Amino acid sequence: DTAVSQTPKYLVTQMGNDKSIKCEQNLGHDTMYWYKQDSKKFLKIMFSYNNKELIINETVPNRFSPKSPDKAHLNLHINSLELGDSAVYFCASSHRQGANEKLFFGSGTQLSVL
Amino acid sequence: AQSVAQPEDQVNVAEGNPLTVKCTYSVSGNPYLFWYVQYPNRGLQFLLKYITGDNLVKGSYGFEAEFNKSQTSFHLKKPSALVSDSALYFCAVRRYNYGQNFVFGPGTRLSVLP
Repeated sequence: DTAVSQTPKYLVTQMGNDKSIKCEQNLGHDTMYWYKQDSKKFLKIMFSYNNKELIINETVPNRFSPKSPDKAHLNLHINSLELGDSAVYFCASSHRQGANEKLFFGSGTQLSVL
Repeated sequence: AQSVAQPEDQVNVAEGNPLTVKCTYSVSGNPYLFWYVQYPNRGLQFLLKYITGDNLVKGSYGFEAEFNKSQTSFHLKKPSALVSDSALYFCAVRRYNYGQNFVFGPGTRLSVLP
């Protein structure tokens, strides 16, 4: 069983469209995250949720809206997609939000905006 | 502000030789330090972490890392490299108090040559 699963694995879409990426973890973790990895492999936090509550919201355009219906799910909705949104998006989770907690990552969603 | 540097984009080593992947960090207060590995088309996987205590930390797949406070470094090492170790390696730092996000280094691509 996959611990952190995200769908879809690949997403190809046109500029201006709205799309969603779903993430689920079956580890019983309290905290979930979205990371963006650009073409140069730089990895940057976007959002963090703890028990469905937004904890971290980095400088991300408000076209990106995370939603956590329960603590096992953290979805990412993107409005009006732009070329610069093309990247690999990783969902992750940790047992708690403590600083010593390690992250468990999903396998990523490769988003290509044409 | 937290930051992580990995001075080498690429490290090449022959199979069976020792390997080192370098990491230096900057953080106010006590750091929590992590190494993650990313195989092609996969999410990051946790290798090891330093929280406190012994400066030499042992992790998965025979990897270890040494915390050096005076040099603000946390280099990843392995006594004998395997071809299967070839991957992208990320160092990350987090401040000791919760709520702070991970800051990842830019990654170092390790190639182990047969």
